[in-house]
Amino acid sequence: EAGVVQSPRYKIIEKKQPVAFWCNPISGHNTLYWYRQNLGQGPELLIRYENEEAVDDSQLPKDRFSAERLKGVDSTLKIQPAELGDSAVYLCASSSWKEVGAGEQYFGPGTRLTVT
Amino acid sequence: DQQVKQNSPSLSVQEGRISILNCDYTNSMFDYFLWYKKYPAEGPTFLISISSIKDKNEDGRFTVFLNKSAKHLSLHIVPSQPGDSAVYFCAASDYGQNFVFGPGTRLSVLP
Repeated sequence: EAGVVQSPRYKIIEKKQPVAFWCNPISGHNTLYWYRQNLGQGPELLIRYENEEAVDDSQLPKDRFSAERLKGVDSTLKIQPAELGDSAVYLCASSSWKEVGAGEQYFGPGTRLTVT
Repeated sequence: DQQVKQNSPSLSVQEGRISILNCDYTNSMFDYFLWYKKYPAEGPTFLISISSIKDKNEDGRFTVFLNKSAKHLSLHIVPSQPGDSAVYFCAASDYGQNFVFGPGTRLSVLP
């Protein structure tokens, strides 16, 4: 079974430029999460989707960050414009209904963003 | 304010010995606790979990203990193996909705 796929794996951009990350969750997983992980810290939730609905985006900086999950499958996270402080690893994770209660989220490898 | 704390940034253990990783939380609404393992350049991988109605859960070499009154949990790995060297994240959840991760502990198992 294929795991969570993320692209690109690495991205270097200049500040004020836009950037987008893509995530393809495990087939059949209806819950999708975007996390940001800063160096030396644990992942911090940005947004959680149940199918195509964003059910928790309270931690998403909405002035520059946006996300979508069309048709409840793939998801895209966008930053526009990027700031130096956005440099981090962006992780996507997914889980199914039966697993979310058990807390078993499957993570992708992440996208390492460097803003210069 | 950190709701989930892992006060030891790193831990070194001899191969074959027991590794004990600790985690403290502050939010009494958390009812599910998880441990994830992360290798470099990979995403975290689920390791083991425990519900707040239990005080122990065991899976092979891995055991998680929960002390609700102290808001403390620990992960025991015995015997430790070099392949266990990774960063371990403690995470807490409220009814499977929000997941809050600790900052991680880097475990090094020395051969």
